[in-house]
Amino acid sequence: ILNVEQSPQSLHVQEGDSTNFTCSFPSSNFYALHWYRWETAKSPEALFVMTLNGDEKKKGRISATLNTKEGYSYLYIKGSQPEDSATYLCAFYNAGNMLTFGGGTRLMVKP
Amino acid sequence: DGGITQSPKYLFRKEGQNVTLSCEQNLNHDAMYWYRQDPGQGLRLIYYSQIVNDFQKGDIAEGYSVSREKKESFPLTVTSAQKNPTAFYLCASSKSMDVWGISPLHFGNGTRLTVT
Repeated sequence: ILNVEQSPQSLHVQEGDSTNFTCSFPSSNFYALHWYRWETAKSPEALFVMTLNGDEKKKGRISATLNTKEGYSYLYIKGSQPEDSATYLCAFYNAGNMLTFGGGTRLMVKP
Repeated sequence: DGGITQSPKYLFRKEGQNVTLSCEQNLNHDAMYWYRQDPGQGLRLIYYSQIVNDFQKGDIAEGYSVSREKKESFPLTVTSAQKNPTAFYLCASSKSMDVWGISPLHFGNGTRLTVT
């Protein structure tokens, strides 16, 4: 069973703060890393799929970086807004396996 | 709008009864998946299907069964053999199950099953 860890488990920030959290995964046989946003009472939505070491993806105020050699990805949110409150999931894909999800980081942004 | 529909949103059953969770997609996706979420844990894969009339066990298939008779539909049956069936169940689909893992998943809203 592959180990995908996300930290912190939960995070409270004030509106306007920038924040980041981490996804750690095994560095061997890496194929892809997925990030999803899961708002309460809604379905998880794909944010990014990353495949290349050093890759950086951006969607509005949210960006992600990938380091496949050391086995981690960071998700950054610039100037957090209350609508960013959600659980952020990462999922790791390697050869011969299905997507393995981390436990998620629950972000709460206070107005 | 295309999407995945899971029904019902909440389901209550007595212990010892089988129960079937519905999942329908109109995205024309080949691959479909069932995940289970328990508090404090990541999503765990129960079953997946790459194509109609084919499905494979995931990491925690014991006590569950599925069918894939139509491309659009992938129902999950939670049998009485499942030791801890109370959980939140998510259905997902992807365009295909590519070797490189780059197809993002599209999820339904989930079904919360409570067995007493």
